[in-house]
Amino acid sequence: EIVMTQSPATLSVSPGERATLSCRASQSVSSNLVWYQQKPGQAPRLLIYGASTRATGIPARFSGSGSGTEFTLTISSLQSEDFAVYYCQQYNNWPPLTFGGGTKVEIK
Amino acid sequence: EVQLVESGGGLVQPGRSLRLSCAASGFTFDDYAMHWVRQAPGKGLEWVSRISWNSGSIGYADSVKGRFTISRDNAKNSLYLQMNSLRAEDTALYYCAKGAFGGVIGSWGQGTLVTVSS
Repeated sequence: EIVMTQSPATLSVSPGERATLSCRASQSVSSNLVWYQQKPGQAPRLLIYGASTRATGIPARFSGSGSGTEFTLTISSLQSEDFAVYYCQQYNNWPPLTFGGGTKVEIK
Repeated sequence: EVQLVESGGGLVQPGRSLRLSCAASGFTFDDYAMHWVRQAPGKGLEWVSRISWNSGSIGYADSVKGRFTISRDNAKNSLYLQMNSLRAEDTALYYCAKGAFGGVIGSWGQGTLVTVSS
């Protein structure tokens, strides 16, 4: 089973600033990585797939990069609606699909 | 618009069974694989199971293998999860989710809460 590790667990950022979230896989997942956003009391929402392709309707301020074992989600200028928990998930070698533990982006 | 509506959750004693259902609408149900994903209170996401469009390919997390059974009825646009021998650690919000492609999950329901406790 591929283990996904996200860092940091919590990221405090001021509105308008850049946020950089990291995700590491225990073995290569190529570019088969997804990012989801989850707001309190809501279901997750697909943000990025294929490590860097934005899903339909996702604003350009969200970008993903990386391949192999190291991945990054960048939010270029945080808006109030972006404060949430972000999860990465690999789909290179499954089942099982495996998620990272999440990064909470909170207001500084 | 994709809609996934889960039902069947509730309070159940350890060792008992529960069957979750998911009613799908807004897309051609039998074109897509479907998943169950759970989230324990205050915790992260855990993939539970996946079924292909024609039920020909099914997978489970090790934590539920042998206890849970996923199924679907394409005529009814419905997904199911039969959960047997429930344990306290199965307590979670269970999401029904639509596969996009491969292991990408494109849409999620709002979840149904399962609480396993005596």
